[in-house]
Amino acid sequence: GEDVEQSLFLSVREGDSSVINCTYTDSSSTYLYWYKQEPGAGLQLLTYIFSNMDMKQDQRLTVLLNKKDKHLSLRIADTQTGDSAIYFCAEATGTASKLTFGTGTRLQVTL
Amino acid sequence: NAGVMQNPRHLVRRRGQEARLRCSPMKGHSHVYWYRQLPEEGLKFMVYLQKENIIDESGMPKERFSAEFPKEGPSILRIQQVVRGDSAAYFCASSPTSLVEQYFGPGTRLTVT
Repeated sequence: GEDVEQSLFLSVREGDSSVINCTYTDSSSTYLYWYKQEPGAGLQLLTYIFSNMDMKQDQRLTVLLNKKDKHLSLRIADTQTGDSAIYFCAEATGTASKLTFGTGTRLQVTL
Repeated sequence: NAGVMQNPRHLVRRRGQEARLRCSPMKGHSHVYWYRQLPEEGLKFMVYLQKENIIDESGMPKERFSAEFPKEGPSILRIQQVVRGDSAAYFCASSPTSLVEQYFGPGTRLTVT
């Protein structure tokens, strides 16, 4: 079955690193995604990783994938107040036509 | 290059009325998806369409909901005889032929009174 889980809340201080975790259950997932949602807005695609990779880095963002444990994480280096938002992980299977989203992690960045 | 456009951004309907939500995909994208987000929840897939075809409607409620993506014009999500439980944010996404990336619009927030 398809089920994506995330912790609900994370608080970090400005300048620290944030690590947002996600677990999924569908071993046939082909792509895994991270989206950012600011209040009242749509979802912004941050990054994604193909399931045969174990790491992807894009500027301040690092995605780690442990396929054996079905665990995905997003690390944000040097977290800024503008990073405060809800972060969703999502998985796709097959042709990626249908995304299954986690419940979202609210990231709060404090001064 | 305009992103995915949705209108209206906010829609208020009384119980029993019809709601029509519109989505214009990004230029060059021929794949459209609709998702629903209930308050404090993640997004749930509803339907996936290509021009003039419904490809996957496994997430659509069996009654009152329909979607289309005509040859010309935007994709439409139609909800007939709305009920309070339909109050949610409805997001449209589009993707290019590769299907790997889905880009989301700003959403339509439907309130049923």
